[in-house]
Amino acid sequence: NAGVTQTPKFQVLKTGQSMTLQCAQDMNHNSMYWYRQDPGMGLRLIYYSASEGTTDKGEVPNGYNVSRLNKREFSLRLESAAPSQTSVYFCASSDGLSEETQYFGPGTRLLVL
Amino acid sequence: GQSLEQPSEVTAVEGAIVQINCTYQTSGFYGLSWYQQHDGGAPTFLSYNALDGLEETGRFSSFLSRSDSYGYLLLQELQMKDSASYFCAVTPEAGNTPLVFGKGTRLSVIA
Repeated sequence: NAGVTQTPKFQVLKTGQSMTLQCAQDMNHNSMYWYRQDPGMGLRLIYYSASEGTTDKGEVPNGYNVSRLNKREFSLRLESAAPSQTSVYFCASSDGLSEETQYFGPGTRLLVL
Repeated sequence: GQSLEQPSEVTAVEGAIVQINCTYQTSGFYGLSWYQQHDGGAPTFLSYNALDGLEETGRFSSFLSRSDSYGYLLLQELQMKDSASYFCAVTPEAGNTPLVFGKGTRLSVIA
């Protein structure tokens, strides 16, 4: 039981490049989330998916797109990376949208030059 | 809107007790959670309060006062491994909205 997995672990991009961050969970959870974490800013929600087939914007969605590919997988895409998107990205999942227990992946550390 | 306030940093001595406070102003409230995150790691769930009062889990306890929009995490018999960031999070309402996280409190445990 791997829990929540994320790939890649580290990535360096040049401004304007695109990339997709992958996330998968094997806990049969309905809800999945993408957060970014910057020093002193806590966890900020980018997008979330309450259930398979639905996605919604969070607090900081600009510059990102998401796809809930199936119940297990939720990807985050940066179409044209900017230095302001340098951050640590966490994927999380939970049984339900308001479930207090979210399970986090190990994170992706992204540097945009 | 949603806002959660918690101290940015706290320092405490090994073996002591420390309390990390969280006050919230949210459009709705269903419950308060606490998460722990070690440097370089992922957040992990610690505790949850939906009702007023104290919930105890080993050395950690969490308290909620809904009337005061206030909660705290209490860590007893502090150990060096408790050095981490601690986040409070509010469930604004049941079933419809995701958690809202505070900015976190960095706890340093010193010898």
